[in-house]
Amino acid sequence: GAGVSQSPRYKVAKRGQDVALRCDPISGHVSLFWYQQALGQGPEFLTYFQNEAQLDKSGLPSDRFFAERPEGSVSTLKIQRTQQEDSAVYLCASSHGVSKNIQYFGAGTRLSVL
Amino acid sequence: DAKTTQPTSMDCAEGRAANLPCNHSTISGNEYVYWYRQIHSQGPQYIIHGLKNNETNEMASLIITEDRKSSTLILPHATLRDTAVYYCIVSPPNTGGFKTIFGAGTRLFVKA
Repeated sequence: GAGVSQSPRYKVAKRGQDVALRCDPISGHVSLFWYQQALGQGPEFLTYFQNEAQLDKSGLPSDRFFAERPEGSVSTLKIQRTQQEDSAVYLCASSHGVSKNIQYFGAGTRLSVL
Repeated sequence: DAKTTQPTSMDCAEGRAANLPCNHSTISGNEYVYWYRQIHSQGPQYIIHGLKNNETNEMASLIITEDRKSSTLILPHATLRDTAVYYCIVSPPNTGGFKTIFGAGTRLFVKA
């Protein structure tokens, strides 16, 4: 498809379980962003990649959160030992990255930690 | 903290213009104003952006004050499908190494 694709759309995890969330950006987009969105709140920045380089991870809430984009395309956000407070929608966005800052978002992955 | 201030919610009658204000009094000279909207259960969608001139596209118009400290997004003929949360963001034009701050946005209800 032409848009940003995220999988799975829904994920239920037991507390303490590890999860991996996938993002397929728009082909050719240099920049990739991950956001966390709690219910009723705006998206909160987690991390940013330019190609395969993770240039900003200042928004990752703890060392249980890890993101990678090894070949500069698909990205994975991994959360280890999930906690109930990790329950949120995780949004991925990509941007062409050349002189514009228009981000194209996926539909998100809704994570519920029980 | 968000660099913008928006009303929490607004109502608009279907077919009328929806005018959504945003204050960004600390905007820097190289920062653009971007607007996104988020319909329930979807990711945010880009609407429009501008630096200092007014802008118009097929979705909306953006009016930026001369001092650039505030702006207004205008949906000229609101429809029920325009019910969404609208986010106003200020950001430099290049994507390298910046953190996008969304804030809570304005929840627009378009009523029949």
